[in-house]
Amino acid sequence: AQKITQTQPGMFVQEKEAVTLDCTYDTSDPSYGLFWYKQPSSGEMIFLIYQGSYDQQNATEGRYSLNFQKARKSANLVISASQLGDSAMYFCAMREGRVETSGSRLTFGEGTQLTVNP
Amino acid sequence: DAGITQSPRHKVTETGTPVTLRCHQTENHRYMYWYRQDPGHGLRLIHYSYGVKDTDKGEVSDGYSVSRSKTEDFLLTLESATSSQTSVYFCAISEFRSGELFFGEGSRLTVL
Repeated sequence: AQKITQTQPGMFVQEKEAVTLDCTYDTSDPSYGLFWYKQPSSGEMIFLIYQGSYDQQNATEGRYSLNFQKARKSANLVISASQLGDSAMYFCAMREGRVETSGSRLTFGEGTQLTVNP
Repeated sequence: DAGITQSPRHKVTETGTPVTLRCHQTENHRYMYWYRQDPGHGLRLIHYSYGVKDTDKGEVSDGYSVSRSKTEDFLLTLESATSSQTSVYFCAISEFRSGELFFGEGSRLTVL
């Protein structure tokens, strides 16, 4: 079974609108972490946001928020007030286990290509 | 800037030749990783290291070997490159507290 599933190969949004990128995960480990990365056309991988499995509140970083629904095993990324520069590939990823003992071997989804239209 | 550099950034080689990619970090992080990125697969872990001379296999390790003789350097070797190893290779280090990965700029390898 896929550990990380991103069901939207491509998404389109109008500038200044909000957009939600979907991510579901599968793990039996009670300790895990969820990450979102952005990859613009230039190719670099940019960390956006992190959510730990024991975190009570949804993570937020500026215009990015992570809608964490533990029972549904979903970790959707919400981008508010989209900008043209948000056009990129977005990857959801998961770390299973505690980072102190097993490092951070991330499993990535296949990505969602977001296009922001003016 | 996470202080990770990869070399070479671009390489074209022929089937059957050996190839070594180098990852250098200036952050003294214990964990280092090699991923490959292919269309339709996201990023997949090849090998990782949890200290000098301590390495282990990832999801797609066949055809690859690694070495880490110093904390700052993690080498990925393709002993005999094949066309299926044409890919973009990313090195990464991890931040201890959250496990966030910091990536290098990537190395694009083409095997003809």
